[in-house]
Amino acid sequence: ILNVEQSPQSLHVQEGDSTNFTCSFPSSNFYALHWYRWETAKSPEALFVMTLNGDEKKKGRISATLNTKEGYSYLYIKGSQPEDSATYLCAFKTDSSYKLIFGSGTRLLVRP
Amino acid sequence: GAGVSQSPRYKVAKRGQDVALRCDPISGHVSLFWYQQALGQGPEFLTYFQNEAQLDKSGLPSDRFFAERPEGSVSTLKIQRTQQEDSAVYLCASSKGLAVYEQYFGPGTRLTVT
Repeated sequence: ILNVEQSPQSLHVQEGDSTNFTCSFPSSNFYALHWYRWETAKSPEALFVMTLNGDEKKKGRISATLNTKEGYSYLYIKGSQPEDSATYLCAFKTDSSYKLIFGSGTRLLVRP
Repeated sequence: GAGVSQSPRYKVAKRGQDVALRCDPISGHVSLFWYQQALGQGPEFLTYFQNEAQLDKSGLPSDRFFAERPEGSVSTLKIQRTQQEDSAVYLCASSKGLAVYEQYFGPGTRLTVT
């Protein structure tokens, strides 16, 4: 059974704080690692797709890194804003299937 | 352009009722996925279509769950004789094809079985 773990489960930070989350996944049969942001009552929004060991991606104040050999990815948010409040999901894809295997998410709340 | 849409957004069903959940993918997307998200968990794969062909239905939890995509566009997920454990958010995602990584999600249908 393939398992994707995310930590922490939830996080409360003050506006302006920088924060990071962890996604752990099986290191074998790796194909791609996805990060999504999901705000309440909206569609999950794709942030990054990462495929290569050592990949680093950045979108504004959000960045992510990937280590496929040890099976983890970090998502960083610099200078958190209230609008960053959402659930952040990572999803793993193997080389033998097209389905995404999701972690349970990290719920971020940024206080003004 | 228009994203993935799902209807209804919210559905309350009495235990034992049948429900049908609709997904309109992004125009031109040949791949379509259904996921189920129970409270406090991440989305879990249910089934996958390539055009009208259902290529993987290994995630459907029981034979009460049935999905179709007869013309390779709109898809319907049907749940017969709903049970309380079917209460969840049902997400639909579409993709340009197998070789393209991104899956674009709809807002989901929240099903509550009472």
